[in-house]
Amino acid sequence: GAVVSQHPSRVICKSGTSVKIECRSLDFQATTMFWYRQFPKKSLMLMATSNEGSKATYEQGVEKDKFLINHASLTLSTLTVTSAHPEDSSFYICSARKGTGLQPQHFGDGTRLSIL
Amino acid sequence: GENVEQHPSTLSVQEGDSAVIKCTYSDSASNYFPWYKQELGKRPQLIIDIRSNVGEKKDQRIAVTLNKTAKHFSLHITETQPEDSAVYFCAAIYTGNQFYFGTGTSLTVIP
Repeated sequence: GAVVSQHPSRVICKSGTSVKIECRSLDFQATTMFWYRQFPKKSLMLMATSNEGSKATYEQGVEKDKFLINHASLTLSTLTVTSAHPEDSSFYICSARKGTGLQPQHFGDGTRLSIL
Repeated sequence: GENVEQHPSTLSVQEGDSAVIKCTYSDSASNYFPWYKQELGKRPQLIIDIRSNVGEKKDQRIAVTLNKTAKHFSLHITETQPEDSAVYFCAAIYTGNQFYFGTGTSLTVIP
């Protein structure tokens, strides 16, 4: 199997708070992890690609100082939304891929972030 | 970069009928095409995938066809059931890391 665990599943917090989301590959090593944002009834919007031991590659328009990504091990990547504001409210979802090349991505359950 | 278009955006079928979702891509170098099913509030789950050296792949009621010349690939679901209702996403990738996802198709199977 290829199980990806994402935590927490839901966060409600006040404006200005920083929120950390964890993404773990439970039964495989993930050289690459991806972070997406999904708006209601919309497709997955890639925010950044995270490679173990190196800096994340951010997509155009995504603020790297706002969305801090750390991929410290082959099984864990974290996304920290710093000084979150209501416009950051969204569904954030991670995925992980075994190895390189033509392999599918396996998704976490997502995190529903609500900023009051 | 790659551009993936997906049609239709919404699809309603009667239970037992077939459903077809089509995606087109722009980069002829793309060589891997997965399909994901996402139920409301849940994670996308891989349901089938195809590589560019194959024209068709089938897994029970689900099949995917690939036309490299025309740069399109399609998902076919036969004998649809209410539990097939979900949003389906296609994606295209070539060699490198990034998946390019389609815009999604909301499928409703009417009992």
